[in-house]
Amino acid sequence: GQNIDQPTEMTATEGAIVQINCTYQTSGFNGLFWYQQHAGEAPTFLSYNVLDGLEEKGRFSSFLSRSKGYSYLLLKELQMKDSASYLCAVAGDDYKLSFGAGTTVTVRA
Amino acid sequence: TAGITQAPTSQILAAGRSMTLRCTQDMRHNAMYWYRQDLGLGLRLIHYSNTAGTTGKGEVPDGYSVSRANTDDFPLTLASAVPSQTSVYFCASSSASGDYNEQFFGPGTRLTVL
Repeated sequence: GQNIDQPTEMTATEGAIVQINCTYQTSGFNGLFWYQQHAGEAPTFLSYNVLDGLEEKGRFSSFLSRSKGYSYLLLKELQMKDSASYLCAVAGDDYKLSFGAGTTVTVRA
Repeated sequence: TAGITQAPTSQILAAGRSMTLRCTQDMRHNAMYWYRQDLGLGLRLIHYSNTAGTTGKGEVPDGYSVSRANTDDFPLTLASAVPSQTSVYFCASSSASGDYNEQFFGPGTRLTVL
């Protein structure tokens, strides 16, 4: 089976940095995705990692360690609009995505 | 470009009734997926289709059926709804079913079964 763990909630201050961790145990590995989902809306793609290391995209970065079954999403210079749920998803042997339950990030002024 | 559309936006359904959730994409993507999202459980795959004419079962397929007659449409049918099927349903598509396969999601259908 697939097991993907991420914290349920995180709170941070506007302008700060927040790191959302994701650990996984899956049947095979063909990449890890991070999605953002605002309340009542559809998930939207943020990042993709398939090799170890850091992928940077503007204020958002994602890191992967395949040997540790670990990833994190780093949100820098937090803005109020970053308040959302962040979903970690792993593509397994069959390339189908298994999702974690999501981390709700609340940004406070 | 509309991307992925779903209908209806929301629905209240009596237990035992049948219903079809509609999903249409205009990106000519080969692969399509149906997920349900429940509080604390995240997105769970119900059924998928790697290409028109083929379908497969996901993690939670019981009580649901799908068809893929063409590239654009991927309807999800509940033959006899039960209260445990109350959920938000998302349709998604990707250009490929293997390798890098960023999925694009529709706006969702909120279904309540009473």
